[in-house]
Amino acid sequence: NAGVTQTPKFQVLKTGQSMTLQCAQDMNHEYMSWYRQDPGMGLRLIHYSVGAGITDQGEVPNGYNVSRSTTEDFPLRLLSAAPSQTSVYFCASSYETASSYEQYFGPGTRLTVT
Amino acid sequence: GQSLEQPSEVTAVEGAIVQINCTYQTSGFYGLSWYQQHDGGAPTFLSYNALDGLEETGRFSSFLSRSDSYGYLLLQELQMKDSASYFCAVRRYNQGGKLIFGQGTELSVKP
Repeated sequence: NAGVTQTPKFQVLKTGQSMTLQCAQDMNHEYMSWYRQDPGMGLRLIHYSVGAGITDQGEVPNGYNVSRSTTEDFPLRLLSAAPSQTSVYFCASSYETASSYEQYFGPGTRLTVT
Repeated sequence: GQSLEQPSEVTAVEGAIVQINCTYQTSGFYGLSWYQQHDGGAPTFLSYNALDGLEETGRFSSFLSRSDSYGYLLLQELQMKDSASYFCAVRRYNQGGKLIFGQGTELSVKP
């Protein structure tokens, strides 16, 4: 299994540009999430999905859109990039059992907005 | 805002035992998790406490007390490779089971 994959690894955007960060998982996990992490900070939840066709907002959703048309894919769209969106973006997928909830993270996308 | 509090930094020596605390101000959650992150890489899962008490996995143990709104991660026989950031996280009932993270504790292990 490849686990959780993210593309691109690095991206530089100009203010106002739009782009899509790709995320895919091959573990058939129901749950997928997008986080951003700023220097010295924790992980802040942007958007979340509990299954294909179902998404929900996290702590910091403004400026981002998501969709979940398949179990495997969960792309994150930046509508009009702003310097405040310079960050490292992590996608994660997770599964739940009666006694555990384990989240698997992708390698991250390092985004700079100038 | 964040309702999980952790110390920002902890320093310990190789071979020692260190405890990283996590206090929270939320009620009604499924469980408390811990994740490790090296140098801005992908966070990795360490443990999950669904019930009160101690969970042990090798050199790492995690504890939860819902009555005290408190949990901790215990690392024994510290090694240099344990230098990393450690995050606690909760899944709240009233937020669709989303995983919300604390701001993390940077652990430095000295020789």
